Amino acid sequence: SQQGEEDPQALSIQEGENATMNCSYKTSINNLQWYRQNSGRGLVHLILIRSNEREKHSGRLRVTLDTSKKSSSLLITASRAADTASYFCATEVKGGKLIFGQGTELSVKP
Amino acid sequence: GAVVSQHPSRVICKSGTSVKIECRSLDFQATTMFWYRQFPKQSLMLMATSNEGSKATYEQGVEKDKFLINHASLTLSTLTVTSAHPEDSSFYICSGDIGNTIYFGEGSWLTVV
Repeated sequence: SQQGEEDPQALSIQEGENATMNCSYKTSINNLQWYRQNSGRGLVHLILIRSNEREKHSGRLRVTLDTSKKSSSLLITASRAADTASYFCATEVKGGKLIFGQGTELSVKP
Repeated sequence: GAVVSQHPSRVICKSGTSVKIECRSLDFQATTMFWYRQFPKQSLMLMATSNEGSKATYEQGVEKDKFLINHASLTLSTLTVTSAHPEDSSFYICSGDIGNTIYFGEGSWLTVV
């Protein structure tokens, strides 16, 4: 079953702009992870934020986590055409078992 | 670093036949691996948890007799789609974890014709 919603489902921006994707989940979590998937390909792990963390950075990525609202956001700054992909949040409910959100399809136009 | 390898990456099979997908942990031992399915333009859905040396645990709505999972060794889990139907055409992907890190295979595209 899906853990929750992601919004927007699709996002189209110009190169250089920032992209923000949101994720909500339903159950208690150990951590929340964000993944990227290029069309027809496997998953690339982007960032993991633990349930006791509120914000985490990695390069152009910034992730926030609000456990009281059961929500997370992924911000990609200064986007590039190469960032075009689908982005999924996933909550680890126990020992490696992930429940994925619906995903956001990001299109970055040059 | 640790890698999970999946094979085949693409497979086409005829309706009614069975097809096996392998998931190998290349440099770590995985007592537990996970199988996901992804239909086009959709998210990944957890199908089952593969447990080394014991029966797999299936998610609600996943037919265990149709999707046979075998985890006979610490480095290999297999998913066999039996009596394949065009509706089974999908992207199947496995994962294993070591410590706090989850590693995904490259995924397998199954097309049933």
